[in-house]
Amino acid sequence: GAGVSQTPSNKVTEKGKYVELRCDPISGHTALYWYRQSLGQGPEFLIYFQGTGAADDSGLPNDRFFAVRPEGSVSTLKIQRTERGDSAVYLCASSAHGGRAVEQYFGPGTRLTVT
Amino acid sequence: GENVEQHPSTLSVQEGDSAVIKCTYSDSASNYFPWYKQELGKRPQLIIDIRSNVGEKKDQRIAVTLNKTAKHFSLHITETQPEDSAVYFCAAPENYGGSQGNLIFGKGTKLSVKP
Repeated sequence: GAGVSQTPSNKVTEKGKYVELRCDPISGHTALYWYRQSLGQGPEFLIYFQGTGAADDSGLPNDRFFAVRPEGSVSTLKIQRTERGDSAVYLCASSAHGGRAVEQYFGPGTRLTVT
Repeated sequence: GENVEQHPSTLSVQEGDSAVIKCTYSDSASNYFPWYKQELGKRPQLIIDIRSNVGEKKDQRIAVTLNKTAKHFSLHITETQPEDSAVYFCAAPENYGGSQGNLIFGKGTKLSVKP
């Protein structure tokens, strides 16, 4: 079946602008995670959704970052007043359900460049 | 929280040789250890995982071993091929809170297989 998809694949924006990044999880997966990957590093956790609610947003770096998943499927990561330090690849992953021993499958990521 | 250390950061082998990548974790409550392969510009791809109730798992040319006492786990690739060249990440779940399983990743190992 279809894997996790993310749009856009690349986004270039100017400092101070607002951006939205979209994630389409695997159909039927209730758990959805956002991670951020900087060059030469492993993915770092941002936020976790179980169904429609944000069960854990402890990884969001500050209040410029926000994410929603209104119908329990597609999720949007929103970044306000972007800064050059926000430049990274934003990865989304989904799993069949929440829990600590459940396989997570990643999307291809959105490469965000803030100029 | 959980902390994952991975080494080596780079590994170069001759085609046909074996490659071993090692990771340590800090939280004895961790019970799930996935390995991801990431080719340049691509998504992290889950290649194998192990749960804490077993000590070893194999899938064709790849295997993972787990030593719960020492809190370390390793990825073994035998008969390496040029297409095995990629960055490999180990991970372990964060263990606080309810049902979430956000992963803590190592910094990655860049494996180069020379023909």
